[in-house]
Amino acid sequence: GQNIDQPTEMTATEGAIVQINCTYQTSGFNGLFWYQQHAGEAPTFLSYNVLDGLEEKGRFSSFLSRSKGYSYLLLKELQMKDSASYLCAVRTYNTDKLIFGTGTRLQVFP
Amino acid sequence: DVKVTQSSRYLVKRTGEKVFLECVQDMDHENMFWYRQDPGLGLRLIYFSYDVKMKEKGDIPEGYSVSREKKERFSLILESASTNQTSMYLCASSPDRDQPQHFGDGTRLSIL
Repeated sequence: GQNIDQPTEMTATEGAIVQINCTYQTSGFNGLFWYQQHAGEAPTFLSYNVLDGLEEKGRFSSFLSRSKGYSYLLLKELQMKDSASYLCAVRTYNTDKLIFGTGTRLQVFP
Repeated sequence: DVKVTQSSRYLVKRTGEKVFLECVQDMDHENMFWYRQDPGLGLRLIYFSYDVKMKEKGDIPEGYSVSREKKERFSLILESASTNQTSMYLCASSPDRDQPQHFGDGTRLSIL
């Protein structure tokens, strides 16, 4: 079967760094996406990893290890507006669909 | 910017009604998707389409059907609405399978 695990909730302080983990078990892995979703709004694309390593985009970075079935999203210099849910989604060769994790709700406190 | 527009933000219908949820994208994307999002379950794929008049079942197609008569429009149909179809419905589109999906704002559907 296919399974994606993320922590349900995390909290952090403004200005800090937080790492949101995602582990997956799938056959035919073909890429991993991270999305941000504010309450009541549409998910918006953050990053895409298909090869091992770190992808950096401003305050956000995403890391992938295909051999370990593991990814993380790193958020630096946290701001209050970063309070949102963060969704991990995996794409596979055999289905070509996206399989989403249940999301991690991040709360940033002053 | 890509714009994916869903016809209603909130909708209330009765059990047994036939319900249409409309989605339009303005970027000439090939691929379109319908998901539902429920607390603790994440986004689950209902149906998707890689071309006009083409449709494929997702993970939870039971009780739903879709229509894609034009490239820009993808409709989700609840044939006979039931209370367990109360949910947030999200439409998405992408230019091709390697590109990220762009989501609409969602329709919060309540079936009474």
